[in-house]
Amino acid sequence: NAGVMQNPRHLVRRRGQEARLRCSPMKGHSHVYWYRQLPEEGLKFMVYLQKENIIDESGMPKERFSAEFPKEGPSILRIQQVVRGDSAAYFCASSPPSRNTEAFFGQGTRLTVV
Amino acid sequence: AQSVTQPDIHITVSEGASLELRCNYSYGATPYLFWYVQSPGQGLQLLLKYFSGDTLVQGIKGFEAEFKRSQSSFNLRKPSVHWSDAAEYFCAASGEGTYKYIFGTGTRLKVLA
Repeated sequence: NAGVMQNPRHLVRRRGQEARLRCSPMKGHSHVYWYRQLPEEGLKFMVYLQKENIIDESGMPKERFSAEFPKEGPSILRIQQVVRGDSAAYFCASSPPSRNTEAFFGQGTRLTVV
Repeated sequence: AQSVTQPDIHITVSEGASLELRCNYSYGATPYLFWYVQSPGQGLQLLLKYFSGDTLVQGIKGFEAEFKRSQSSFNLRKPSVHWSDAAEYFCAASGEGTYKYIFGTGTRLKVLA
């Protein structure tokens, strides 16, 4: 059973470009979460999705950031018009529908904005 | 406000020495508690978790943690550290049935040969 798969592992974008980060949850997991880790900081919750639904996006910046988890395919975190402050590690996690279980994290995508 | 505090940003120990990493939480109810380890450039690996029951929790790689409600703490311990334990350690909390983890800022462990 493969773990949570994120790609790319590293992404370099120029200011103003778009960044697309992909996350394939573990088999059998229908819940996906995105977290951001800024340099020298802990992880901060961004968004929680189930298939075709955004459940909680309270941690998402109001502009330029969006997330989706379509019926087919991976979850996508999209950052439009990236700025230097978006440089961070973005982690995806997934969990099964059961309430009392931990989330499993991917290896992250390290975004560098130049 | 809910929070997780890891008071030590950096800790250095000698190989073979014992280790204790501190974690304090502030939460409305008894949270679920986790310790994760992150090696450089890698993702997060779960070391152990506490949901309920026995307050002394055993994890992987010889780690254990003790939940102390009276002190709002969930400290991570290992009796004898190995050089491969050098990494960053994160404590996290969530509410029962909730999905939003609150992470501490991490403790970076350095192991001296």
